[in-house]
Amino acid sequence: QVQLVESGGGVVQPGRSLRLSCAASGFTFKKYAMHWVRQAPGKGLQWVAVMSYDGSNQYYADSVKGRFTISRDNSKNTLYLQMNSLRPEDTAVYYCAREAVGAVYFDYWGQGTLVTVSS
Amino acid sequence: QSALTQPASVSGSPGQSIAISCTGTSSDVGGYNYVSWYQQHPGRAPKLMIYDVSNRPSGVSDRFSGSKSGNTASLTISGLQAEDEADYYCSSYTSSSTRVFGGGTKLTVL
Repeated sequence: QVQLVESGGGVVQPGRSLRLSCAASGFTFKKYAMHWVRQAPGKGLQWVAVMSYDGSNQYYADSVKGRFTISRDNSKNTLYLQMNSLRPEDTAVYYCAREAVGAVYFDYWGQGTLVTVSS
Repeated sequence: QSALTQPASVSGSPGQSIAISCTGTSSDVGGYNYVSWYQQHPGRAPKLMIYDVSNRPSGVSDRFSGSKSGNTASLTISGLQAEDEADYYCSSYTSSSTRVFGGGTKLTVL
């Protein structure tokens, strides 16, 4: 069965960095585009970034562009999100999500990892 | 990258039907048949309910249906049940190859 397991969340001070990981299993990871989506406490979903199946393309939300970097290691079946210059407004649960092949919707989601940016 | 516009809340009694709207622009909802809908119960990850405007994934009840007219998409839930009470989010592909979500709608089953 498809599993996406995020890790790497925690409490970090403003201006510092954090790297999230998403370990994938139960499917051929290298065939799928992957996304990060976040949800601030009590708020709605916000799309963060996407990386194509082979890592050749990536796109970001304006709110994170220049600060966050999405990457993947297909040999390790793992998706990453490097978050630099963190701000209090980046506080959220971060989900990784799989994009269905040849489509533009999220068919599987992880359970999320909480990032808290606070001094 | 403005969020799509959804009503903050809707409600209905068991057995009734409700509709949730999702309004965007010609650069997202109106420009592509790539609107999807997600259900989220408290403390849980979102679940895909509708994709490509009106398609239901395997396992999703046929009480859930989707449609689109111009820049506005809609999710309709018929025969409301208590377990339908949740937050619902629409999402669309955009002309910048990014994705955008709606602000979310809280469905209350009275």
